[in-house]
Amino acid sequence: GENVEQHPSTLSVQEGDSAVIKCTYSDSASNYFPWYKQELGKRPQLIIDIRSNVGEKKDQRIAVTLNKTAKHFSLHITETQPEDSAVYFCAAPGEGGKLIFGQGTELSVKP
Amino acid sequence: GAGVSQSPSNKVTEKGKDVELRCDPISGHTALYWYRQSLGQGLEFLIYFQGNSAPDKSGLPSDRFSAERTGGSVSTLTIQRTQQEDSAVYLCASSLVGTASNQPQHFGDGTRLSIL
Repeated sequence: GENVEQHPSTLSVQEGDSAVIKCTYSDSASNYFPWYKQELGKRPQLIIDIRSNVGEKKDQRIAVTLNKTAKHFSLHITETQPEDSAVYFCAAPGEGGKLIFGQGTELSVKP
Repeated sequence: GAGVSQSPSNKVTEKGKDVELRCDPISGHTALYWYRQSLGQGLEFLIYFQGNSAPDKSGLPSDRFSAERTGGSVSTLTIQRTQQEDSAVYLCASSLVGTASNQPQHFGDGTRLSIL
């Protein structure tokens, strides 16, 4: 069945350090992988996405890498800042266009 | 509108009552999704609309849950005979198309439902 596994569930880093969150998916036909950031009490916000025709995408301090052979993709945040603290969700398409979300990673950036 | 709009933002009701949640998607978005998020948890898919039809209702937890969409725009999620385990944030998202593919989904602020 469709499944997305996300690790770690919590991550604490010092300001300025890098943070990496990893996800694996089960459906080899998946071709679109978004990442969402959710601050406490707010809506999930799309921060970056990657399609299966590329292996890496960058947007300022955020990058996502995709390994289709291994069926995993990762979010990399460099030079972390306290405002990066939030819960991050990865997702992959499920049957019919719905998104299957990972369980989330609570990132804490300590000043 | 500029974004996905949901109402009410908060709803407190007694066990056994019916509730109706509303979602107004981004103008021009044909695909609409409902998700449920329990406290500290991930997002659980409920139902998906393409236009007015619902090709995938697989996530609805029970027959107390139903949803409709008319005019290809606004959608309502109805929960009948609410139970305490229905307490959660109900999130709506929309996208340009919804065919298993690569269109970003944009979320509303959600309705926080509390069943007493």
